Amino acid sequence: DADVTQTPRNRITKTGKRIMLECSQTKGHDRMYWYRQDPGLGLRLIYYSFDVKDINKGEISDGYSVSRQAQAKFSLSLESAIPNQTALYFCATSGPSGGAGLETQYFGPGTRLLVL
Amino acid sequence: KQEVTQIPAALSVPEGENLVLNCSFTDSAIYNLQWFRQDPGKGLTSLLLIQSSQREQTSGRLNASLDKSSGRSTLYIAASQPGDSATYLCAVNTNAGKSTFGDGTTLTVKP
Repeated sequence: DADVTQTPRNRITKTGKRIMLECSQTKGHDRMYWYRQDPGLGLRLIYYSFDVKDINKGEISDGYSVSRQAQAKFSLSLESAIPNQTALYFCATSGPSGGAGLETQYFGPGTRLLVL
Repeated sequence: KQEVTQIPAALSVPEGENLVLNCSFTDSAIYNLQWFRQDPGKGLTSLLLIQSSQREQTSGRLNASLDKSSGRSTLYIAASQPGDSATYLCAVNTNAGKSTFGDGTTLTVKP
């Protein structure tokens, strides 16, 4: 079973609709992230959460909101979707790897969103 | 603001060739640097992670180096295979848990 899962994997929606992307992890990590990936722009951080009560904006948070329902769940909402939010969205977790404070990020398979 | 650049953007090589992918970053105050592989339409797979105090990490045919003072990392792939074809991304991480990604290098290894 995958350590980080995302639902849905693909979604088509219309401008103005509210949608939610969900992420679950079985790694037991406190830190979770939402990124979007656009061609030629790499991955950009939308929001991140270091524990259930700690949520922070990333570099492109406008038009998005998040909810950390539990340590294992971190959802991303588009309150009123617009076409330029068409992108590939990734959820990730990070946690200790190899000791000495080293951390590794683990990514979900991505959600492909098309806003018409 | 941290900026991460990967050169080249695309690379095509014949099978068996050794190759180097480059990653440069503007702020040397990093916690660690991570190389990922992404297959078309798929998520990211972590390949190697180098802590800021380390100089290199090796895994199989992959070797990643880090020169924090010059703001550079390289990913060396030995004896390339068609299965290595993918996009390779480097990410620079701060100790606050934030990551900045490069745009990636798309590698094609021809049989």
